[in-house]
Amino acid sequence: DAGVTQSPTHLIKTRGQQVTLRCSPKSGHDTVSWYQQALGQGPQFIFQYYEEEERQRGNFPDRFSGHQFPNYSSELNVNALLLGDSALYLCASSSALDISTYNEQFFGPGTRLTVL
Amino acid sequence: DAKTTQPNSMESNEEEPVHLPCNHSTISGTDYIHWYRQLPSQGPEYVIHGLTSNVNNRMASLAIAEDRKSSTLILHRATLRDAAVYYCILNYLLGAGNMLTFGGGTRLMVKP
Repeated sequence: DAGVTQSPTHLIKTRGQQVTLRCSPKSGHDTVSWYQQALGQGPQFIFQYYEEEERQRGNFPDRFSGHQFPNYSSELNVNALLLGDSALYLCASSSALDISTYNEQFFGPGTRLTVL
Repeated sequence: DAKTTQPNSMESNEEEPVHLPCNHSTISGTDYIHWYRQLPSQGPEYVIHGLTSNVNNRMASLAIAEDRKSSTLILHRATLRDAAVYYCILNYLLGAGNMLTFGGGTRLMVKP
């Protein structure tokens, strides 16, 4: 059973560019959350998608947007990249229906984004 | 959101028990206490959660103070693989997909 997968693993962009990161949730999961983790810090919540809608959003500007597809996979888009957007971007999936793992979020390995 | 306070780092010897403390003096009655850990070069992984009673699972035990203002994650026999950053998180809802608010966590180092 594949866990949460993310692509690409690493990415280098320049300031002002746009980037799209992708996430496939764990099999059977319907909810996807995105987190940003700067070096040496804990992850910060960006937003969460459920039933193709943004359900919760953290304190991030509109340059950060997302999408969830009918197969539950998700994309994170960041426009007008800034140097400060350099971070590890983590995707986490969960299921509101699986009683055995109801309280857990399963994280992928992340995408390391470097903005030059 | 209620905040948690954890030591920045702790050291342990392999095969000895480890007690990782977390203070959450402003916890509300409906806040659940969750622990996640992040191994090097990996995403965080769920460890355990609880509300009022002590909890045990295959990975660890969670001891919650009677007034709920503090809790302790207990690893019964530390292994080298347990070296990670451990995060104590309060979550007012019990349920999948709820936003997790991570702090700085405790970096656990395990010596052979």
